[in-house]
Amino acid sequence: GAVVSQHPSWVICKSGTSVKIECRSLDFQATTMFWYRQFPKQSLMLMATSNEGSKATYEQGVEKDKFLINHASLTLSTLTVTSAHPEDSSFYICRPGISTDTQYFGPGTRLTVL
Amino acid sequence: GDSVTQMEGPVTLSEEAFLTINCTYTATGYPSLFWYVQYPGEGLQLLLKATKADDKGSNKGFEATYRKETTSFHLEKGSVQVSDSAVYFCALSDGAGGFKTIFGAGTRLFVKA
Repeated sequence: GAVVSQHPSWVICKSGTSVKIECRSLDFQATTMFWYRQFPKQSLMLMATSNEGSKATYEQGVEKDKFLINHASLTLSTLTVTSAHPEDSSFYICRPGISTDTQYFGPGTRLTVL
Repeated sequence: GDSVTQMEGPVTLSEEAFLTINCTYTATGYPSLFWYVQYPGEGLQLLLKATKADDKGSNKGFEATYRKETTSFHLEKGSVQVSDSAVYFCALSDGAGGFKTIFGAGTRLFVKA
């Protein structure tokens, strides 16, 4: 069965609204969660690393005020896209940072901003 | 920082042809190496992995060998099928980098009957 779940699997929203994406680690406790973004026909780019109990670290060029990350517990991390715009339309994927060899990715959330 | 470079696509092959997709990496530590496959409209699937030098990962007829001396992890398959048409991503995960996974740009494979 699934090891990592994401909700919702897809979402369509109007420009200017905020969207929350949940990532749950079902079988592992993860102090770290990686969030990736994949634009159409492109590779996965690491956006940020969420850390349970502390602030997330963001990759260069990623706006921390736009992509709010909360790591509420060892099994739940959320990514909120604030004031979404069409250019934020993408596929967002999470992965618990358990080890180098344990590579479980979430199924992804497809966001379309109209 | 760590990085992965893979051959640009698209790669177009006839069914039963031999496939090679080149991948090289740079890393500060001793990474684990992966190949992922993504079918149209779907998420990532782990295809194979190798965790140390000279390890060979294999799955579904695909193989890749971790070559530390050439920092490479080329993907091969002896006889491709139409159903292998997908995008293939080479990736690494380095404990020294906090277990984050770094992806190559992806190589799109088209296999025609």
